[in-house]
Amino acid sequence: DSGVTQTPKHLITATGQRVTLRCSPRSGDLSVYWYQQSLDQGLQFLIQYYNGEERAKGNILERFSAQQFPDLHSELNLSSLELGDSALYFCASSVDGGASGRGEQFFGPGTRLTVL
Amino acid sequence: DAKTTQPPSMDCAEGRAANLPCNHSTISGNEYVYWYRQIHSQGPQYIIHGLKNNETNEMASLIITEDRKSSTLILPHATLRDTAVYYCIVLMYNNNDMRFGAGTRLTVKP
Repeated sequence: DSGVTQTPKHLITATGQRVTLRCSPRSGDLSVYWYQQSLDQGLQFLIQYYNGEERAKGNILERFSAQQFPDLHSELNLSSLELGDSALYFCASSVDGGASGRGEQFFGPGTRLTVL
Repeated sequence: DAKTTQPPSMDCAEGRAANLPCNHSTISGNEYVYWYRQIHSQGPQYIIHGLKNNETNEMASLIITEDRKSSTLILPHATLRDTAVYYCIVLMYNNNDMRFGAGTRLTVKP
């Protein structure tokens, strides 16, 4: 158990819909990262938040957005869903935002999103 | 960040050492080498990281060549539970923006 929790575990929805995935980081971790893993694309970094502010952006679509709240939990919002958005979405956390080469990230169990 | 090259797959006998290579010939002086693994569809798991010295922890050892252009992750006594995809990632100092490649699928066989 990494200490990172994600809800829900599974989500099935239809094209065009909007969903919200939730992540609670390990106690004391200030950074939250979101990744998407689909069969044909591998593990893709989406976005990082550090202490409530966006720190780094990867291959995140404009239909997707995220935020980190004052209690440090984070939500990833996916809208106008397409079949190709079906994937595993992982959240990870780390103690800092990248200083000191401490890239050790702790990953949650993931949310499996199926778009029908 | 420097790109990495790993063999797509490897086999290892249970109880033997598994040596997983990674090439990162364009690595720069302030980039670290990280190793993660992913068992089936679970979240990736941190294994070890290093800058230029060899590192060892309870899971594995990391051997980095003197020119830092390649490294080897060593699992000293592989078990069936070590079957996973292993990712080698090169990460800039002060940057947690990790880019996972295809990794090496390690299969430990009885």
